[in-house]
Amino acid sequence: GAGVSQSPRYKVAKRGQDVALRCDPISGHVSLFWYQQALGQGPEFLTYFQNEAQLDKSGLPSDRFFAERPEGSVSTLKIQRTQQEDSAVYLCASGGRGSGNTIYFGEGSWLTVV
Amino acid sequence: AQSVAQPEDQVNVAEGNPLTVKCTYSVSGNPYLFWYVQYPNRGLQFLLKYITGDNLVKGSYGFEAEFNKSQTSFHLKKPSALVSDSALYFCAVRLAGYQKVTFGIGTKLQVIP
Repeated sequence: GAGVSQSPRYKVAKRGQDVALRCDPISGHVSLFWYQQALGQGPEFLTYFQNEAQLDKSGLPSDRFFAERPEGSVSTLKIQRTQQEDSAVYLCASGGRGSGNTIYFGEGSWLTVV
Repeated sequence: AQSVAQPEDQVNVAEGNPLTVKCTYSVSGNPYLFWYVQYPNRGLQFLLKYITGDNLVKGSYGFEAEFNKSQTSFHLKKPSALVSDSALYFCAVRLAGYQKVTFGIGTKLQVIP
């Protein structure tokens, strides 16, 4: 597609519920990133994929957070047993292989845990 | 470790006046530097980047930024502000050769008509 596509745009989850957020990157982009943006804050790095390999997951806040990109294209961020502090915007970005390449963001998935 | 500081929570400027949004960075090596803009309820849009070469880089919508290695700064500038420039601006840094991009907390730009 023309840009990074994320779904759902908005999700309200009850505390304890599992959620799955999908990211469809720009076609041909090997790098894919997930970021978490709390209200009034900058994006915080969660994890990074190069193709299907998850090369950095140092930003995942707990073992309730899990990300995958099994075929090197679409990625899913899963949050198990959601808690109120998980309420945030989850941003996906994709880019080319080199570190000089720009990463392009989707519109984000807004998660509210009630 | 790498980090970005945006010392101003908010910048107010009159329409037609020049604007500057400040950014300083810390990285243990050569930095790649980026500016993004975020409008309400939207994702981040890329404005410009510095990789190498000319210290003054030009980007979208008339914005430019100057890389200053000695001051470890990458301030965003525009000669004449528009009301439509009002948004949240994020500076970001990446260590050359690595993938992780670290963002600042953002600066809210308010252009007053």
